Amino acid sequence: DTAVSQTPKYLVTQMGNDKSIKCEQNLGHDTMYWYKQDSKKFLKIMFSYNNKELIINETVPNRFSPKSPDKAHLNLHINSLELGDSAVYFCASSRSSQVLYEQYFGPGTRLTVT
Amino acid sequence: KNEVEQSPQNLTAQEGEFITINCSYSVGISALHWLQQHPGGGIVSLFMLSSGKKKHGRLIATINIQEKHSSLHITASHPRDSAVYICAVGGEGSNYKLTFGKGTLLTVNP
Repeated sequence: DTAVSQTPKYLVTQMGNDKSIKCEQNLGHDTMYWYKQDSKKFLKIMFSYNNKELIINETVPNRFSPKSPDKAHLNLHINSLELGDSAVYFCASSRSSQVLYEQYFGPGTRLTVT
Repeated sequence: KNEVEQSPQNLTAQEGEFITINCSYSVGISALHWLQQHPGGGIVSLFMLSSGKKKHGRLIATINIQEKHSSLHITASHPRDSAVYICAVGGEGSNYKLTFGKGTLLTVNP
């Protein structure tokens, strides 16, 4: 059983389109995250939800909107896609929002904007 | 803001060698994580440290809180250890967010 899953794995789309990435965890964790990994492989936090409540909202364009319908799901919707949005997006979960807890990562979604 | 520096950026070793990857950070932390990212892209958590030392198989992670420094050691390295190793820290003031280093690309040749 996959602990943290993301769909789709690959996403190729044109500038200006709107797209969503979905994430689900079956670990019973309270906290979920979205990370962006750029072309230089640098990981950066975008958002975090704890029990469906937004607790981290980094300096991310408001074209990016996370939604957590329940503790097990965290989706990322991106409006008006731009070339610079091309990256790998990772979802992760942890038992608690405290940094003392291990994070479990999904396989990533490679987004290519043309 | 915590700055996280890893060294070296790239490391090539022969199978069987002892490997050390270093991580330094600029301000006090609650926790430090070591992650592994394989060539296929998946990220796996290796260790979470708040003090001392942890060992798992051939991997050992140490942290010196006073010196703001951590090391990841791999004993008897193997080609399957080839990956990017990423250090991430959670600051004292903010218990929710990890700040990541830029990673160390390790290549172990047979």
